[in-house]
Amino acid sequence: AQSVTQPDIHITVSEGASLELRCNYSYGATPYLFWYVQSPGQGLQLLLKYFSGDTLVQGIKGFEAEFKRSQSSFNLRKPSVHWSDAAEYFCAVGTGNQFYFGTGTSLTVIP
Amino acid sequence: NAGVTQTPKFQVLKTGQSMTLQCAQDMNHEYMSWYRQDPGMGLRLIHYSVGAGITDQGEVPNGYNVSRSTTEDFPLRLLSAAPSQTSVYFCASSQGAGQPQHFGDGTRLSIL
Repeated sequence: AQSVTQPDIHITVSEGASLELRCNYSYGATPYLFWYVQSPGQGLQLLLKYFSGDTLVQGIKGFEAEFKRSQSSFNLRKPSVHWSDAAEYFCAVGTGNQFYFGTGTSLTVIP
Repeated sequence: NAGVTQTPKFQVLKTGQSMTLQCAQDMNHEYMSWYRQDPGMGLRLIHYSVGAGITDQGEVPNGYNVSRSTTEDFPLRLLSAAPSQTSVYFCASSQGAGQPQHFGDGTRLSIL
């Protein structure tokens, strides 16, 4: 069965520090991969997606993610975090007609 | 641009009551889906539709019904509400399966 694992439930970083959020997936073929962000009381906003091609993808708000087939990973990175990045982040896998989401990583940014 | 619109935003029900959560999109997307979001569990797919007249079950379909009579609308029905259905419900749409999904703002549902 397909699954998405986000091993970090909560991460705290200082403003200006770099960030990496981890995501691992389990799927037989190369899936479509996504990162979404959710601010409190809001819906989910797409940060970036990977379908094929270049394994390093750029997204909105200065985020990027790297697909590593050998590790079944799709980690999200940002070189310098801003206070407005505090939110919940979800990794998702699209396979066939269904999407599977990870349980999310909550990001706190310290001034 | 309205995007995906969900109504109501909040609802409180008593156990055993029924209700319909509404979802409408104005992007002419073929694929629509319903998720529930619970603390520590991420989003779980309830039902989805790949086009008008076509629906299928997701990961957690029990207790919910859907229909898709038009491209724009994809209502979710709770037949007999149970406290376990207390959750935040999100509707989403996309151009096709596997494509990035556009989410509504959610419906916060409490079952007493």
